[in-house]
Order: sequence, then structure tokens, then C-alpha cells
Amino acid sequence: NAGVTQTPKFQVLKTGQSMTLQCAQDMNHEYMSWYRQDPGMGLRLIHYSVGAGITDQGEVPNGYNVSRSTTEDFPLRLLSAAPSQTSVYFCASSGGVAGSIYNEQFFGPGTRLTVL
Amino acid sequence: AQSVTQLDSQVPVFEEAPVELRCNYSSSVSVYLFWYVQYPNQGLQLLLKYLSGSTLVKGINGFEAEFNKSQTSFHLRKPSVHISDTAEYFCAVRKNTGGFKTIFGAGTRLFVKA
Repeated sequence: NAGVTQTPKFQVLKTGQSMTLQCAQDMNHEYMSWYRQDPGMGLRLIHYSVGAGITDQGEVPNGYNVSRSTTEDFPLRLLSAAPSQTSVYFCASSGGVAGSIYNEQFFGPGTRLTVL
Repeated sequence: AQSVTQLDSQVPVFEEAPVELRCNYSSSVSVYLFWYVQYPNQGLQLLLKYLSGSTLVKGINGFEAEFNKSQTSFHLRKPSVHISDTAEYFCAVRKNTGGFKTIFGAGTRLFVKA
């Protein structure tokens, strides 16, 4: 049971480039989310999904796209990278037996992204 | 909408001293409350959670938190800290009327000194 996995661990982009951050979980969780972590600002929700085919925007969605074609995967796409997107990105999942709403979120190890 | 305020951005403390990390929340509906810990260069992991019932919640590594509905607070405490407790701590809130969307505070960095 690998939990929540994220790739890559580190990435450097040039302004204007696009890329996809990968996230996968093997716990059959319904809920998955993407956060960015910036110094002094905690974790801010970018996008989330409550099941395959269902996504919604969080607090800071601009410049990011998501899709959820399977329960396991929830990739985050940067359409045209900007220096303001330099951050650490965390994917998280939650759910479990009978979709229990009491369950906490399980986090991946993060992706450290630098946009030059 | 929910919001979370962590009142201290950094808390330095000597080893074996007690510590309290403060968290206040705002919500128009009842909520679930969580504390997560993040060790350097790692993801977050759950310390403890309040769902209902007893307002004093015990978690891992000797931490506990008390839910105070009238003051809308959920402060985290430990009676005696260790060097290994040095980490960043996040308070989080989720409404209990359905859904998984969780809002996090800005974090409190705990420094334990020898």
C-alpha cells in the first residue's frame, strides 16, 4: 500500500512552459485535492475532486487545470507557468470505508516547483 | 465559509517545557477540527482530530487539544516537548454537514531548543 504518491519531486520550468504534476493513490479514496504551500501562508486549496469525473475549484485555481478520469489519479496541469507559481505542491486524498466523512486527509510527499 | 487563524507564526521553547499552539476558527456551521504536523521536507500527517463528544482530544506523540465552542478555539498542547517535536503545525477545519473540503491555517513553526 503506497498511499499517496507524487511525481516529480523537483521541477524547474521556464516562464510560459506547461507541465503536469502527477498524483496517484491506492486507497480507493473518493476525495482528492491539490494544495500549494508558500511561506507564511500555510496550505491553500487549488482544486479538488469528490469522485471520478467531478472536480471543483478551491481558493487559488487560476493558472491550473485538473481532471479526474479514474478514482486513483488526479493530475494537476500548469497551462503557462509563471514565477508566482513557484511553490511546493501537495496532493491529498480522503475517504475510505463507505466514504467515511470522518477520515482525515493523507498527503503525498510534495513536488517542489521553481519557475524562472 | 470557514476560516482558520493560527495566532503564532513561530514558537520557540526549551526541551521538556510545556507548549501551547493556538488556533481559532470561524464558521457559520458546525465543524470538524484537525491538527496536522509537517516535519522538514515531508508531507503533512495527522496529529489528532475533533469530531464530536469529549472536548479534550488526545493524539499521537503526547499531544492533546481542547475544543472550546464558545471561544471557537482548538488549541494544541503538550506538557513536555522533545527536540524531535521541532516541526510546523497546522490547524484545519472542515464543515460537518458533508463534503471533504478542508481549510488550513497558516501554520506555526515550533522550535525546541536544548
